[in-house]
Amino acid sequence: QSVLTQPPSVSGAPRQRVTISCSGSTSNIGDNGVSWYQQVPGKAPKLLIFHDGQRPSGVSDRFSGSKFGTSASLAISGLQAEDEADYYCEAWDDSLKSVIFGGGTKLTVL
Amino acid sequence: QVQLQGSGPGLVKPSETLSLTCTVSGGSISGNYWSWIRQSPGKGLEWVGYIYDTGSSKFNPSLKSRATMSADTSKNQFSLRLRTVTAADTAIYYCARRLYDSRGHYYFDSWGQGTLVTVSS
Repeated sequence: QSVLTQPPSVSGAPRQRVTISCSGSTSNIGDNGVSWYQQVPGKAPKLLIFHDGQRPSGVSDRFSGSKFGTSASLAISGLQAEDEADYYCEAWDDSLKSVIFGGGTKLTVL
Repeated sequence: QVQLQGSGPGLVKPSETLSLTCTVSGGSISGNYWSWIRQSPGKGLEWVGYIYDTGSSKFNPSLKSRATMSADTSKNQFSLRLRTVTAADTAIYYCARRLYDSRGHYYFDSWGQGTLVTVSS
């Protein structure tokens, strides 16, 4: 059971928009920045979003992040087949004094 | 862009010590935080710990003090040792840089390809 809660799966048709939620608490998301990672099967995770909504250079602007209170969201617009992957949120937890990851969300492009 | 390459034995016997090394190229390990993150088969990501180039380190409390890390700035490498392993430690172990950027934000911006370690007799 992860401290950060994500839906196990989401799906969407090509060109649609999907969102993935990440729910936490005041000791993690509420007080620290959230990052998002994409993991294609068989590959290492890749940074998509840092500090809630900042995109590293080279990451498509179809990916956007937001945070409100103790919850964060990753939105993917204009879905493409290549977006099919697992997505993880991550934050520091002040109480656990540990980096924590969400359980991951599998995105299926229909 | 910094690149990370993990290496180490793919098979470790129960109760023995798992040892992995990550070699960093394209940048110095000095002035950065370096981490290990693992992923059990079919499961999610779990942070193991990080080390700063000075040697200060922090670990996931769930590992119950079984983990240690070291850094060798002359070789631009950092290492993980995990004692008294069990089958539950079977996982792909990723080394990664935890970047602390100029605005004070932390995130894992560069990852190694991952090393599969199986704990079995």
